[in-house]
Amino acid sequence: DQQVKQNSPSLSVQEGRISILNCDYTNSMFDYFLWYKKYPAEGPTFLISISSIKDKNEDGRFTVFLNKSAKHLSLHIVPSQPGDSAVYFCAASRNRDDKIIFGKGTRLHILP
Amino acid sequence: NAGVMQNPRHLVRRRGQEARLRCSPVKGHSHVYWYRQLPEEGLKFMVYLQKENIIDESGMPKERFSAEFPKEGPSILRIQQVVRGDSAAYFCASSPTYINVGTNEKLFFGSGTQLSVL
Repeated sequence: DQQVKQNSPSLSVQEGRISILNCDYTNSMFDYFLWYKKYPAEGPTFLISISSIKDKNEDGRFTVFLNKSAKHLSLHIVPSQPGDSAVYFCAASRNRDDKIIFGKGTRLHILP
Repeated sequence: NAGVMQNPRHLVRRRGQEARLRCSPVKGHSHVYWYRQLPEEGLKFMVYLQKENIIDESGMPKERFSAEFPKEGPSILRIQQVVRGDSAAYFCASSPTYINVGTNEKLFFGSGTQLSVL
């Protein structure tokens, strides 16, 4: 029962262009969403988050958009840089439920 | 100002042996989470602990797996009588409080323990 779905296992984007990573969720009780970035042989590191009371959160080159009616969120990276090549995990949690559920991840390749 | 420390980084066990994975959370964090990542899979929640208490173990296999977070010392994930299917990367994460809307709290992850069962 995959409550957080990342349907694209991988994505290749030219350096300098926009990277868009997508995530869908099934549990309407989720109200806090996060993106994590993971390099090989390292643990995931927090990137950006958004609560359900917002539809957009921006931090530098990273913007997360939330569409609650569609149960969909996306992470935009612009401009994409070589160091952005990593696996990106979408995650979600419910208020008063402290478990964070992760998707399977999307491997982003930034091409020179 | 150390982050989450996990050891060992790599652990090799033969089938039937016991595996003990250790996790020291960020100093001051009282909430610890264990996740498992199987090859080509995402991070699967296993267990959530606070000091001396298991809060949610809904992701733990019913047999052979146990976890603790004692008052003093690191959190331990123990796998008894390991099988090949236990081979995975095990990640520990910590947070200071509940992950809650509006608090912008987040999990801080360790670098993981790669368990290989021969």
